[in-house]
Amino acid sequence: EPEVTQTPSHQVTQMGQEVILRCVPISNHLYFYWYRQILGQKVEFLVSFYNNEISEKSEIFDDQFSVERPDGSNFTLKIRSTKLEDSAMYFCASSEGHPNTEAFFGQGTRLTVV
Amino acid sequence: GQNIDQPTEMTATEGAIVQINCTYQTSGFNGLFWYQQHAGEAPTFLSYNVLDGLEEKGRFSSFLSRSKGYSYLLLKELQMKDSASYLCAVPSDDYKLSFGAGTTVTVRA
Repeated sequence: EPEVTQTPSHQVTQMGQEVILRCVPISNHLYFYWYRQILGQKVEFLVSFYNNEISEKSEIFDDQFSVERPDGSNFTLKIRSTKLEDSAMYFCASSEGHPNTEAFFGQGTRLTVV
Repeated sequence: GQNIDQPTEMTATEGAIVQINCTYQTSGFNGLFWYQQHAGEAPTFLSYNVLDGLEEKGRFSSFLSRSKGYSYLLLKELQMKDSASYLCAVPSDDYKLSFGAGTTVTVRA
C-alpha cells in the first residue's frame, strides 16, 4: 500500500539553528500538507501546497517557515532559527485533492529544540 | 473559521460500545472525517461522511447530521488495541483539515 514517508523520525537541534524536515508524498497525489502537533495538543494545520505553490497557510506559518518541492518526489519544510516552542511532532500529509478522499499522513518527525 | 468540539476522554470496558460525539461550526461544509491516532503515531483514516445518516464499516460506524452540525463515531466490540485518540476533522474548500482536540479512549479489561 502506498504511504507517505518522512525523514528523519527524530531531530534534536539547538535553538537558533535551521532544520529541514523531509517528506515523500504518495506519487499520484496532488495536494501536500504540513501539520504540527505539540505534545498533548491538537493537530494544527501549517501549510498546503498545490501545483508547486502554497495554496494556504495558517497564522503559525510565519517567515520562519518555508516549504519547497525541489524535485518530483520530495516535499520539504524548513524552519529557520528554531525556537523552543517549535518543539513538536511535524506530520506531512498528501491527498488526491477530491473532497471525499482522505489525507494520508506520514509517521511524523519529532523535533526537539534545546 | 472552524470550531470543533469533542469530549476529552472516555473510558470503556473491553467488548463494550462507546460513542464519541463531535459538534462543529464551519463556514462551509465539505464533509467530516474521523481519524484514529495512537500515542506517538500519525493519524490514520477511519471514516468520511458528507450526507446525513450512518456509515458502517465493520466495528466502526459514523453518523452525520448536517442540520445539527453533529457527528458521532461508534466503536463496537471494543478491543484493547482500540485505546487511542479519535480525531474529528472537517476539510476546507482546499481540503486542509481542521481537527478537534481529540477524544482519548481508554479500553479496560
